[in-house]
This record gives sequence, C-alpha cells and structure tokens, in this order.
Amino acid sequence: GENVEQHPSTLSVQEGDSAVIKCTYSDSASNYFPWYKQELGKRPQLIIDIRSNVGEKKDQRIAVTLNKTAKHFSLHITETQPEDSAVYFCAASTYDKIIFGKGTRLHILP
Amino acid sequence: DTAVSQTPKYLVTQMGNDKSIKCEQNLGHDTMYWYKQDSKKFLKIMFSYNNKELIINETVPNRFSPKSPDKAHLNLHINSLELGDSAVYFCASSSNSQTAYGYTFGSGTRLTVV
Repeated sequence: GENVEQHPSTLSVQEGDSAVIKCTYSDSASNYFPWYKQELGKRPQLIIDIRSNVGEKKDQRIAVTLNKTAKHFSLHITETQPEDSAVYFCAASTYDKIIFGKGTRLHILP
Repeated sequence: DTAVSQTPKYLVTQMGNDKSIKCEQNLGHDTMYWYKQDSKKFLKIMFSYNNKELIINETVPNRFSPKSPDKAHLNLHINSLELGDSAVYFCASSSNSQTAYGYTFGSGTRLTVV
C-alpha cells in the first residue's frame, strides 16, 4: 500500500522567512497530493493541492511542487506570519483513500 | 451550515463500556471515512464507505464497527473500550471514491477512556 514520509517533524522559522516541508510517497499510482493545515484543537483543513499532471502550483504565499519521477512533493510558505503556526500534513491519494504523512509542527518565531 | 458534523465533540468513558460516534455530511458526497488521530497527531484511516457500502477496512480491531444507514451518515460503534482507544476520531467525506478528491473533515470527537 501507499506510504507517505514527511520531513521535518518540527520546524521553527523566524517570522518573515520561508518554510519548506518535504514529502515522499511510494505508490506510483498516486495522482493527487493535498496539503492540510491543522491548528490546535481544530480539524485539518485543505490549504492547497496538486494533481499528478502538474509540476507546480501557487496560491499567494504558499506553493507546492511535485516531482513524479522521484516521487517527491514539497510545500513552500514564503513571508511566514504568526498565523502560519500549525501542524501541516502532506498526503497522497491512491484510488479510494488519502494516506497522510506524520505531520510537521511549524513554529513561527517573533 | 456545518458541512460535516460529528457528535459528540467530547466523550469521556470508562474502560469496558460501549460507545457510538455519529457523523453526518450535507455536501452530497458519495464517500465517507473515519480517521483516528493519536496523541502524536498521526492521522490513520480506519474505514471508508461509498454509497453505504464498505470499501476500506484497515487493520482495526473488530471492536470497532462502522455503520452507514445512508450515504449522508456514517456512524462508528466501539465495544469494550480500552485505554489505547483514547484519541481524536475524525469523520471525513469526499466527492469521488475513485480518487479521493475534496476531502472535508468533521470537527472531531475527542474520546478519553479512563
């Protein structure tokens, strides 16, 4: 079955700097890669996604890249702000379910 | 209107009890899921139903039994609760069972077994 690895598990960046979270997946049949943000005590919420026929997608301060050959995908957050502090999950979708990475706890330092 | 709603939000119960968690979605989605999030925040799929039919049953103890009376509802019944069942349980739904696009999560049920 699909296995999604996510790094780092914890990331601290100075406010205004960029943050990068990286993931790899194992099943070459995966074709949809969403990213979720989970604030403390809240539900995971979709922030951006990318499909396998696209290499990069951007939405304001966040961007995702996908390398299907290497089975890598990444989340980039630029000009980080205090409200970006949360746990971020990458995921890969294979047919009928989404498999999540173990999450990255992002701390934005003042 | 809440798109995916779960009840109860909090559940504290003793070991050995039986409890149920309910989930309802008003998005018209065909597929619903149960995920378990443990203390380390790991989100692990448990079950998936498509149009009331079970399509995914991961390695979950058979004390956990999902039930889908219709495609808008997916309930989770847990028998003989154990300490290790303490977690946050999230219901989710998606519009397409072929590729799970458009996942929407419920607000979660925090289960504490004492």
